[in-house]
Amino acid sequence: GQQLNQSPQSMFIQEGEDVSMNCTSSSIFNTWLWYKQDPGEGPVLLIALYKAGELTSNGRLTAQFGITRKDSFLNISASIPSDVGIYFCAGSRSNDYKLSFGAGTTVTVRA
Amino acid sequence: SQTIHQWPATLVQPVGSPLSLECTVEGTSNPNLYWYRQAAGRGLQLLFYSVGIGQISSEVPQNLSASRPQDRQFILSSKKLLLSDSGFYLCALHREGTSEQYFGPGTRLTVT
Repeated sequence: GQQLNQSPQSMFIQEGEDVSMNCTSSSIFNTWLWYKQDPGEGPVLLIALYKAGELTSNGRLTAQFGITRKDSFLNISASIPSDVGIYFCAGSRSNDYKLSFGAGTTVTVRA
Repeated sequence: SQTIHQWPATLVQPVGSPLSLECTVEGTSNPNLYWYRQAAGRGLQLLFYSVGIGQISSEVPQNLSASRPQDRQFILSSKKLLLSDSGFYLCALHREGTSEQYFGPGTRLTVT
């Protein structure tokens, strides 16, 4: 189920801006994942984080695994129109095969 | 590389009719497979997962059932659809040795 609190729920951003979104939980997770979903398509994995404190980049995307293991952040630098979509965070505990998902952050870019 | 296929891509069905959605995967053997539902503008709800042939775990009591007749095939079914079954259904597979899940293209179901 959805045990993760993801914020903001939505954002309108100007092209070229840097933006941030975050995900928090009351429970500890051993893995944090960030997905992007384009309209009418399945979510695509952007970044996977496996170690507390880890900072990982994928192009203009940077994500961090919080030190407490209860949060994660995703940053998008220099936004472009194709960044539009819904971004989901997900967390995993190592002892099962299931993910807990946030409710998503909807990003809309103003050209 | 692993590939996930879902069929059909879109479906419009009347209330009370049966349902069968298919998910097939390539490029992997004995994967963990998952069915999720996404209501319009909402997040992902895990419905079922399977760790092998004939092994199904249900997450939410509901009008749906799942089956895994073959290693790389996962089927979502219903005997009688409800209006509330409308949504975007996603199949996912778990990448072995990681916590990562990869999603298929989805099936858009509209119950009328």
